[in-house]
Amino acid sequence: NAGVMQNPRHLVRRRGQEARLRCSPMKGHSHVYWYRQLPEEGLKFMVYLQKENIIDESGMPKERFSAEFPKEGPSILRIQQVVRGDSAAYFCASSPGQGENSPLHFGNGTRLTVT
Amino acid sequence: AQSVAQPEDQVNVAEGNPLTVKCTYSVSGNPYLFWYVQYPNRGLQFLLKYITGDNLVKGSYGFEAEFNKSQTSFHLKKPSALVSDSALYFCAVRDANTGGFKTIFGAGTRLFVKA
Repeated sequence: NAGVMQNPRHLVRRRGQEARLRCSPMKGHSHVYWYRQLPEEGLKFMVYLQKENIIDESGMPKERFSAEFPKEGPSILRIQQVVRGDSAAYFCASSPGQGENSPLHFGNGTRLTVT
Repeated sequence: AQSVAQPEDQVNVAEGNPLTVKCTYSVSGNPYLFWYVQYPNRGLQFLLKYITGDNLVKGSYGFEAEFNKSQTSFHLKKPSALVSDSALYFCAVRDANTGGFKTIFGAGTRLFVKA
């Protein structure tokens, strides 16, 4: 039973380019969450999605960042015109969506480096 | 809005000694509380959760946590630490009353267990 799959594991982009991070949730999970982790900092909530719906994007910067979770395929976190400050580890998590007390299952993250 | 505080950036213990990693939380309603562990270059792994009932909850790898409503705390404990417990530990909270699945994490506490 595959866990949460994130790709790529490492992504290098020059300033001004676009970064696309992918996340496939665990089988049977309908809720996806994106978090950002900066060195020596905790996980910062970015966005929470269900299939075809953004439920809560209160943690996502209003410019350059967007997320989607289409009916078919993985969830995508997209960062346009990347800047050095976007360099971080981005983690995706999923949950079944049934029962608010179910824990999150995390992928191994995508480490974005902006040069 | 919910929040989590982990007052210690780092905890050092000797192998075989008991360990405690502290966590306090703030939610407007009833909390769902979680502990996760992160090893280098990996995603977070679920350790244990408190939903309701007994204030002492037991989880993976011999860890346990005690929920204290009056002190709004949920400290992680283990009677006898192992070197392999060295990792980054995150406390997390979800507000049960808002009906949402948004999970907020603390900044993390790095645990070092010396042989």
